[in-house]
Amino acid sequence: AAGVIQSPRHLIKEKRETATLKCYPIPRHDTVYWYQQGPGQDPQFLISFYEKMQSDKGSIPDRFSAQQFSDYHSELNMSSLELGDSALYFCASSTITSGESYEQYFGPGTRLTVT
Amino acid sequence: AQSVTQLDSHVSVSEGTPVLLRCNYSSSYSPSLFWYVQHPNKGLQLLLKYTSAATLVKGINGFEAEFKKSETSFHLTKPSAHMSDAAEYFCVAQKSSGDKLTFGTGTRLAVRP
Repeated sequence: AAGVIQSPRHLIKEKRETATLKCYPIPRHDTVYWYQQGPGQDPQFLISFYEKMQSDKGSIPDRFSAQQFSDYHSELNMSSLELGDSALYFCASSTITSGESYEQYFGPGTRLTVT
Repeated sequence: AQSVTQLDSHVSVSEGTPVLLRCNYSSSYSPSLFWYVQHPNKGLQLLLKYTSAATLVKGINGFEAEFKKSETSFHLTKPSAHMSDAAEYFCVAQKSSGDKLTFGTGTRLAVRP
């Protein structure tokens, strides 16, 4: 079965550079979530989209922006990168199916290292 | 607001012995609860979920969890640990369908030969 795809898997950037992370949800999933997991930390919710509209916002820095496109893929844009942005960034997708809750399926993550 | 507390940051068991990973939640309502597993340098895999149906939930790889409202607990158990179970386990709460997930701080499970 198709899973959530994230690209790139690994990314190395320098301070003050920009980065773009991409997420391709499972086919027919209409909701995308972004989470950030710092070293040794639990994942923290950043932002989510439903049907291309922002549905919820968590602890996402103003330097970050995200959007969901017409094909439901999503991109997380990160500017003025800081050392503290080094983390594993997960994307998850979901949709409601008959009689089931919005189970979130996670991608493998993008590991961002800022030097 | 809701929160999830995982009572042990590290648990070590011998192969073939039972596993118990403890989780308590705090919420003004009954959330959906999940257990996810994360192997080193890997993504998050759903083990099982509770969504107000049966209180005893069976998951993959022999894991199960019991929702106890009176104790606000959702502990994860497995009768017999396998070496491949060594990983980080997250207890997760969700307010309602479609909502963001709130993660506990994780429990690292080590399995000794």
